[in-house]
Amino acid sequence: GENVEQHPSTLSVQEGDSAVIKCTYSDSASNYFPWYKQELGKGPQLIIDIRSNVGEKKDQRIAVTLNKTAKHFSLHITETQPEDSAVYFCAASRSGGYQKVTFGIGTKLQVIP
Amino acid sequence: EADIYQTPRYLVIGTGKKITLECSQTMGHDKMYWYQQDPGMELHLIHYSYGVNSTEKGDLSSESTVSRIRTEHFPLTLESARPSHTSQYLCASSARDRDNQPQHFGDGTRLSIL
Repeated sequence: GENVEQHPSTLSVQEGDSAVIKCTYSDSASNYFPWYKQELGKGPQLIIDIRSNVGEKKDQRIAVTLNKTAKHFSLHITETQPEDSAVYFCAASRSGGYQKVTFGIGTKLQVIP
Repeated sequence: EADIYQTPRYLVIGTGKKITLECSQTMGHDKMYWYQQDPGMELHLIHYSYGVNSTEKGDLSSESTVSRIRTEHFPLTLESARPSHTSQYLCASSARDRDNQPQHFGDGTRLSIL
């Protein structure tokens, strides 16, 4: 089955700096890679996703890159703000059948004002 | 804006009680899921459903059961709660599609068994 490794588990950055979270996956058939943000007391919310036919996707201060050859993908947050503080989860899944989603263990991001 | 609702948000209850955690979604999604999560920690899939009358066990063994009688409703039941069931339970749904679709999560039920 799929295995998704995520690191770092915790990350502290100064407000305005960039934050990068990295994930690797094991199943070369995986073709969908969403990122979720979970704030305290809330459920995870999708912030950006990327499919395997694309190498990079950007949405304002958030970008995701995908390297299919190396089987890793990364979340980049630029100009971080205190409201970016949360736990971030990467995930991977493949098309067909149940389309099981495998999540990473999460990264706790703290943005220091 | 939540289109998937979980009740109750918090529940503190004694050992041996029967508990039902409710989950409803208004998006018409075929697929629904239950995850167990210690706050801010890894998500563990315990049950999922492809559609009405379809339920499957997930990766993490759980003593809970689920039912899917209506598309919009996916309740989780614990017949006899124990302290080891103390955790946060998250419900999610996604659309059925040839390509993968993102999951939409509720805000969870935080369960404490005394």
